Amino acid sequence: GDSVTQMEGPVTLSEEAFLTINCTYTATGYPSLFWYVQYPGEGLQLLLKATKADDKGSNKGFEATYRKETTSFHLEKGSVQVSDSAVYFCALGAQAGTALIFGKGTTLSVSS
Amino acid sequence: GAVVSQHPSWVICKSGTSVKIECRSLDFQATTMFWYRQFPKQSLMLMATSNEGSKATYEQGVEKDKFLINHASLTLSTLTVTSAHPEDSSFYICSAPQGPHNGETQYFGPGTRLLVL
Repeated sequence: GDSVTQMEGPVTLSEEAFLTINCTYTATGYPSLFWYVQYPGEGLQLLLKATKADDKGSNKGFEATYRKETTSFHLEKGSVQVSDSAVYFCALGAQAGTALIFGKGTTLSVSS
Repeated sequence: GAVVSQHPSWVICKSGTSVKIECRSLDFQATTMFWYRQFPKQSLMLMATSNEGSKATYEQGVEKDKFLINHASLTLSTLTVTSAHPEDSSFYICSAPQGPHNGETQYFGPGTRLLVL
């Protein structure tokens, strides 16, 4: 079945460092791909998404490109801030009207 | 973007009581909503799919008689934890899909933290 694998955390960075969180997927069709962020004690917020191959999603300095050839959707940010500290979830939407399939989440901790 | 609310955000109850959690899509209609459960430092676990006008679909291992779901309207789904016990203590999150068929996005509520004493 469809699945999402993302790198284990925690990821600990200094402010202004470069961030990469790896995410790969397995899917039989042509899924949409998402990154969600969860701050402590809160629900999930959509960070960015891509609906087809080679699409690049971007928001708040974060970017991810839908790579069909490598079945990946890695999250990147050129310069992280302390306020980016949160848990990041990669997710796959196989088809409309169905629940998302989530990775296990990666905790990011940024220190000043 | 679309907004999904949940109420209450926090609930503490005694063992044996029932707790109702509401999930509302505030600015769009949702014929389907999803209920998840999240344990500390873990990912979301899908519990059930709530369908407006029909019965909910439960994931394997989720007791449908314990977690009652009612999709009362196109903007409201409720999850009732019946006869709650301490092991039901968790963070419950709902989501609702919105957007075109080939670009649908799931929007999540802020979550409800349940503590059963």
